[in-house]
Amino acid sequence: SYDLTQPPSVSVSPGQTARITCAGDKLGDKSVSWFQQKPGQSPVLVIYRGIKRPSGIPERFSGSNSGNTATLTISGAQAMDEADYYCQAWDSFSAAVFGGGTKLTVL
Amino acid sequence: QVQLVESGGGVVQPGKSVRLSCVASGFTFRAFAMHWVRQAPGKGLEWVGYIWYDGYNKYYADSVRGRFTMSRDNSKNTLYLFMKDLKPEDTAVYYCAKDAVGEGPDYLEYWGQGTLVTASS
Repeated sequence: SYDLTQPPSVSVSPGQTARITCAGDKLGDKSVSWFQQKPGQSPVLVIYRGIKRPSGIPERFSGSNSGNTATLTISGAQAMDEADYYCQAWDSFSAAVFGGGTKLTVL
Repeated sequence: QVQLVESGGGVVQPGKSVRLSCVASGFTFRAFAMHWVRQAPGKGLEWVGYIWYDGYNKYYADSVRGRFTMSRDNSKNTLYLFMKDLKPEDTAVYYCAKDAVGEGPDYLEYWGQGTLVTASS
């Protein structure tokens, strides 16, 4: 089975750049999405196809994907960005695989 | 705007069955693939499966294949998940999500608010 590995937690001060990584075998060859989930809420798509940002998502959110690692970057992180973040890709059988999630703390 | 509203959750005895529904609005439901994703309490996201725009093809996670069945009624803008032989480990919030394309998979563009299923005696 295909696995995606994320760090359990990332912590930054307000205004700093937060980087959340997602590792998987040849992940750079796959289409990666990133979801933000705040406590008690549904997940929200923040990055799709590795680098694209849906309308309504702030420009401070960006994505990259190369080799075995995809990265979600939040430039100038704000308190409102505190949430769990999940990466997701598709395996060779069209099944979705999620990373274990990363808790972002901004303080 | 896109809305996805799940229902049908509740407390169900292990070994029993339940059917979840997801009513869609704000987009042409019959044109898009749809997914189910679940989240056990305090845990991460787990994909359950997805169904093509026309219901012709369905894909399931290994953990539910043979016990869960997805279907859709495009005339009612409704997606279904029939779950049988429920196990305690099926306890989770179940989300429906809209794909960006008809046959998929591409990306999970919008999510519903979820419905909680608790498999417990």
